[in-house]
Amino acid sequence: QKEVEQNSGPLSVPEGAIASLNCTYSDRGSQSFFWYRQYSGKSPELIMFIYSNGDKEDGRFTAQLNKASQYVSLLIRDSQPSDSATYLCAVEGGSQGNLIFGKGTKLSVKP
Amino acid sequence: DAGVTQSPTHLIKTRGQQVTLRCSPKSGHDTVSWYQQALGQGPQFIFQYYEEEERQRGNFPDRFSGHQFPNYSSELNVNALLLGDSALYLCASSAVGRGIETQYFGPGTRLLVL
Repeated sequence: QKEVEQNSGPLSVPEGAIASLNCTYSDRGSQSFFWYRQYSGKSPELIMFIYSNGDKEDGRFTAQLNKASQYVSLLIRDSQPSDSATYLCAVEGGSQGNLIFGKGTKLSVKP
Repeated sequence: DAGVTQSPTHLIKTRGQQVTLRCSPKSGHDTVSWYQQALGQGPQFIFQYYEEEERQRGNFPDRFSGHQFPNYSSELNVNALLLGDSALYLCASSAVGRGIETQYFGPGTRLLVL
């Protein structure tokens, strides 16, 4: 059974710093990887997806994928207090719409 | 353009009761997936509906059942409620043939079982 592991945190960083969030997955055959942001009491919101080894950048966010190490990370540059949320790592479970999520890492950005 | 909508937003039930949650997908979407998110956990896939049929199912008991209507809206039914069914229930919609990155989550229904 596919599993996704994340450090639950909380991870605390000062405003303006780089936040680094990490995730490992169990199925070497996994192809699609996603990072969701979830504010308290709200639903998950997709912020990044990555399919190929290497880095993918979108604004202040960079997703990094290393399939050999079965490792996915999310870097948030110039962290803002509004980035304070739980970040969920997910892999596609085998069909469209079936996502396997980690437990999430709670990020706190201190002003 | 309305996104994914869910009703009700909150619900309180007692053990043994039955509950029905509803979801309307985003315009242009035809596939609905349901997830359960317990407090402090990530969402867990319950099942997915497409063309009014259950296409895939996660590791949930038969107490969890669903339905999809011709207008693509969907219901999640849970029978014989247990305390452990207390969670945020999320509906996500997508369009078949398009990447999963196009999937949108609704605001969720928070169910409390007493």
